[in-house]
Amino acid sequence: QKEVEQNSGPLSVPEGAIASLNCTYSDRGSQSFFWYRQYSGKSPELIMFIYSNGDKEDGRFTAQLNKASQYVSLLIRDSQPSDSATYLCAVKGGGFKTIFGAGTRLFVKA
Amino acid sequence: EPEVTQTPSHQVTQMGQEVILRCVPISNHLYFYWYRQILGQKVEFLVSFYNNEISEKSEIFDDQFSVERPDGSNFTLKIRSTKLEDSAMYFCAIGTASMNTEAFFGQGTRLTVV
Repeated sequence: QKEVEQNSGPLSVPEGAIASLNCTYSDRGSQSFFWYRQYSGKSPELIMFIYSNGDKEDGRFTAQLNKASQYVSLLIRDSQPSDSATYLCAVKGGGFKTIFGAGTRLFVKA
Repeated sequence: EPEVTQTPSHQVTQMGQEVILRCVPISNHLYFYWYRQILGQKVEFLVSFYNNEISEKSEIFDDQFSVERPDGSNFTLKIRSTKLEDSAMYFCAIGTASMNTEAFFGQGTRLTVV
C-alpha cells in the first residue's frame, strides 16, 4: 500500500516566521510531488510542484525534495494569517493516480 | 490557471438513487480526474480519464461508478445506487500537459446521501 505521511499538526507559528511542513512517502518509484493548500470547506489549491531533487522557490514558498530519503518539505517564509490552512502533500508515480497525505494544519498567529 | 466549474454545488439524495455530478472545464484539456474527500479524511483518487477513456481507477471506483464525456466538454461522474458512505465532497480536476503534472481542482460537489 503506497502511503504519504504528514504530521497532522496543528503547527502554530507567529506572523512573519518561517513555517516548515514535512512529508514522507513510501513508493520509491514516485516521480512528481505536489503541495496543495486547502481552506476549510474548499477545494485543494495547488501551491508548488517539484520533480527533481533539490529546492524550488516560488515567492514565499520553497519546496524541497530528497528522493533518497523519500522526503518532501514546504517552507513558507514571512508567514501570514492568511496562510492558515491545511497543507496537503501529494505524490504521483508513473501513472495517473495521485496519493494524498492527510494534511498538516497550519495556524499563523497575528 | 485553468478553471473548472462543478455542478451542483450541493446535492442531497436518498439512498439507492442515482446521481450525476458534472464538471465543465473552461478550456480544452485531455486529462480529467475525479477525487472524493469524506469529511475530515484524506483526498482520495477515484478515476482518471484520458483520450476519452478511463486510464486508471482506484479500488473505490467499483461497478456503481461510471464516468463519461457525453458531449466532448462536460465530464460526468455517475453513482448508480448511492449508499450512505458515498456522502462526501467530490472534486473534479484537470491535468495540464501530461499525466504526471499537477491537477487543478474544481470547487467540488457536496453529496449527502440520506
